[in-house]
Amino acid sequence: ELKVEQNPLFLSMQEGKNYTIYCNYSTTSDRLYWYRQDPGKSLESLFVLLSNGAVKQEGRLMASLDTKARLSTLHITAAVHDLSATYFCAVDTYSGGGADGLTFGKGTHLIIQP
Amino acid sequence: GAGVSQTPSNKVTEKGKYVELRCDPISGHTALYWYRQSLGQGPEFLIYFQGTGAADDSGLPNDRFFAVRPEGSVSTLKIQRTERGDSAVYLCASSLRRGPYEQYFGPGTRLTVT
Repeated sequence: ELKVEQNPLFLSMQEGKNYTIYCNYSTTSDRLYWYRQDPGKSLESLFVLLSNGAVKQEGRLMASLDTKARLSTLHITAAVHDLSATYFCAVDTYSGGGADGLTFGKGTHLIIQP
Repeated sequence: GAGVSQTPSNKVTEKGKYVELRCDPISGHTALYWYRQSLGQGPEFLIYFQGTGAADDSGLPNDRFFAVRPEGSVSTLKIQRTERGDSAVYLCASSLRRGPYEQYFGPGTRLTVT
């Protein structure tokens, strides 16, 4: 059974600080997605990582993928309050014979305090 | 339309009743997915459609759950003899087609079974 583990699950940090969220998964995959979810809202796509070594950046967020370590990271630089949300990573295992849908982690609930 | 739409946004029903949840994907998207998200958890995959056919229903929890997409566009998720454990947010997502394409999520239907 595919497992996707995020840590930390809860994170409270101050504005201006840097931090990294980790996403580990238990089976071969070269497709990983990061989503953001605000309270009571649906999921917003942040990054699509499709190969080993992929790195993508958007504003204060940067995501990377290491398929050999089965690890993705989401790095936050100089956090601002607007980045407070829950962040999910999701793994696509279809190319390896897995299910067609994405398998999500439990999410990292991020609170950024002024 | 501009994005994935779902109706109703909220549905309250009594235990044992039948419910239908509707999803209207982004125009031109052939792949359609249903997920279920319980409070404090990441979305769980239920079923995937490529065109009109259910290509993967491995995530459906039992035979009370069924989904259709008769014309390859709008999809309906049907739940018979609802149970309190079915209470969750049901999310629909669509993508251009199966493959390394991001999935765009709708706003979800919050189902409450009393």
